[in-house]
Amino acid sequence: EAQVTQNPRYLITVTGKKLTVTCSQNMNHEYMSWYRQDPGLGLRQIYYSMNVEVTDKGDVPEGYKVSRKEKRNFPLILESPSPNQTSLYFCASSRLQGDYGYTFGSGTRLTVV
Amino acid sequence: DQQVKQNSPSLSVQEGRISILNCDYTNSMFDYFLWYKKYPAEGPTFLISISSIKDKNEDGRFTVFLNKSAKHLSLHIVPSQPGDSAVYFCAASERRGGSNYKLTFGKGTLLTVNP
Repeated sequence: EAQVTQNPRYLITVTGKKLTVTCSQNMNHEYMSWYRQDPGLGLRQIYYSMNVEVTDKGDVPEGYKVSRKEKRNFPLILESPSPNQTSLYFCASSRLQGDYGYTFGSGTRLTVV
Repeated sequence: DQQVKQNSPSLSVQEGRISILNCDYTNSMFDYFLWYKKYPAEGPTFLISISSIKDKNEDGRFTVFLNKSAKHLSLHIVPSQPGDSAVYFCAASERRGGSNYKLTFGKGTLLTVNP
């Protein structure tokens, strides 16, 4: 089954404790991206990657890092999480060409206390 | 500056009737428009898209209309079913050069279809 897999689904952590949210896709997609969803703000892009070793900032990159060492994986790293990073996070992937339909993961609900 | 706007946070419709979800945009460089549906505890799923060179695209019960002069698009669902109850996101794509593009999402509209 074609899918984007995120882990964990839920995470509660404390301020300053480094964490990584993993994302993996099995569709051989070149393009991967991270979004956060907040009430009243919709989906905002954090980082994206057009291919292996090619990453770039989205609209809200502060406090986040990413890496793309393999085509299928695109982890999101919070080096020092803060309460304002409490949010619902989605990883997405797509082909670079075409109708730009993204396949999204099921989401990671992160709470930073 | 919000480039993709969904001004109705929610919409309630009777089963069997038509649902019309609206979206406005400000950026003339958008070349594709998409609709996504999101159920609670799940990621958004791609529903339907339309190229900026077209004014209508239909897929089963779902039709998207694009009015470029008004910078407005709408999603029509006919007939509406209770299973259509979800948050609907409007999104617009802007090519930035080569294969690089950016997808900008609206804030979403919660559709409730009442039996």
